[in-house]
Formats: sequence, C-alpha cells, structure tokens
Amino acid sequence: AQKVTQAQTEISVVEKEDVTLDCVYETRDTTYYLFWYKQPPSGELVFLIRRNSFDEQNEISGRYSWNFQKSTSSFNFTITASQVVDSAVYFCALSAGTGNQFYFGTGTSLTVIP
Amino acid sequence: EAGVAQSPRYKIIEKRQSVAFWCNPISGHATLYWYQQILGQGPKLLIQFQNNGVVDDSQLPKDRFSAERLKGVDSTLKIQPAKLEDSAVYLCASSFLRAGGVTDTQYFGPGTRLTVL
Repeated sequence: AQKVTQAQTEISVVEKEDVTLDCVYETRDTTYYLFWYKQPPSGELVFLIRRNSFDEQNEISGRYSWNFQKSTSSFNFTITASQVVDSAVYFCALSAGTGNQFYFGTGTSLTVIP
Repeated sequence: EAGVAQSPRYKIIEKRQSVAFWCNPISGHATLYWYQQILGQGPKLLIQFQNNGVVDDSQLPKDRFSAERLKGVDSTLKIQPAKLEDSAVYLCASSFLRAGGVTDTQYFGPGTRLTVL
C-alpha cells in the first residue's frame, strides 16, 4: 500500500525565518516518484518538484531546497528566508505502482507572519 | 502554453439537484484525472482517463457520480443527485503519457468549488 504522512498540520513562522516541511512516505515499490505541490488561497495546486527513487541528490531552487533520504523514507522541503507569499498549504505526493496514480498527504498549512 | 482549464469556478446548488463540471487538459496530455478535495484534506482521486478510456474509477461513487471523456480531450464530471457531503473542491489534472509506464507530473486546474445546501 502507498501512503504519505505529513505530520505537521499547521506551521507559523516570522518572515525571513527558515522552515522545514516534513514528508514521510511508505511504499514497497523500488521505483517510485515523489512530488511537492503548493496550494495558495486561490486553490490551484502548483507543481514544485518531482523526484524519482533512484535520484537521492538534494536539490536547491532559489530559496527552496529538498532533502530526499531513502533510508528514512523522507522527502523534506525547506524554505529559506521565508516570505509572506510563501503562505499556502503544501502537499507531498507519492506515485508508485502502475497507473501513474498519486497519493497525497494531508498537507501542511504554512503561515508566514510579516 | 495554456494550463488546465476548468469551469465553472464556483457553484452553489441545493441537495438532490444535479451539477456538471468541465475540464480541458493541457494540449497533448493523454491522461486526465478528476480529484475531490474536501476542506482540510488532500486531493482524493475520483477517476483517471487515458485518452478516452477509464484507467481507474475505483473511488468514484458510481450511484451518483459519472464522468466522460468522449473524444479523448476535454472531460465532464457530473453529480446527480448531489448530497451535502459532496461540498468540496473538484480538481482536474492532466499529465503527459510517457512510454514504459514512467510517472509524469500532474498539472492541476484552478478547481471548481461546489457548495451543496
């Protein structure tokens, strides 16, 4: 069975602080894909990153960075020097098995206080 | 490149009425998905199409929900009759179909917020 756990329901930080959003996944497949999406108040899910199970290299994109560790089944997301525009709900998702189906976590609501 | 289009953006109906949502995927994307997102939860897959065929509809409440993608491009999701618990955001997503079963990124539309009174 495939499962994604985002244990942090809500996080509040003051602007310019760093924040890490946790994502733990479960799958028995050796080939799988992990994703992060941002859902601002407008409601649309915005794609942030896609990572396959064979690529454990960490990735940095501007203020965003991702730490993929297969040993702990985690794919954590860090925002450096947070800004008010980062306020949104962030979803981690797993795709494994056949059919390209996505399994979403319950999301972490991030509020950045000016 | 145009993104996934959905309409309407908002809909308010009374219980037992019917409602339909429309989705036009990104051009060239063979796979189309409908999700239901209840407030405070992650999206839940209702149905997945590949071209005009259904890949997975195991979580679609078939007694009241139906969906079609007749020409393999745009799609319609219908609820008839609606219940109070159907109040949610209905998201449409599409993805490119890669060879060999490689998972591709799903791109989402803005969603339709349904309120059932």
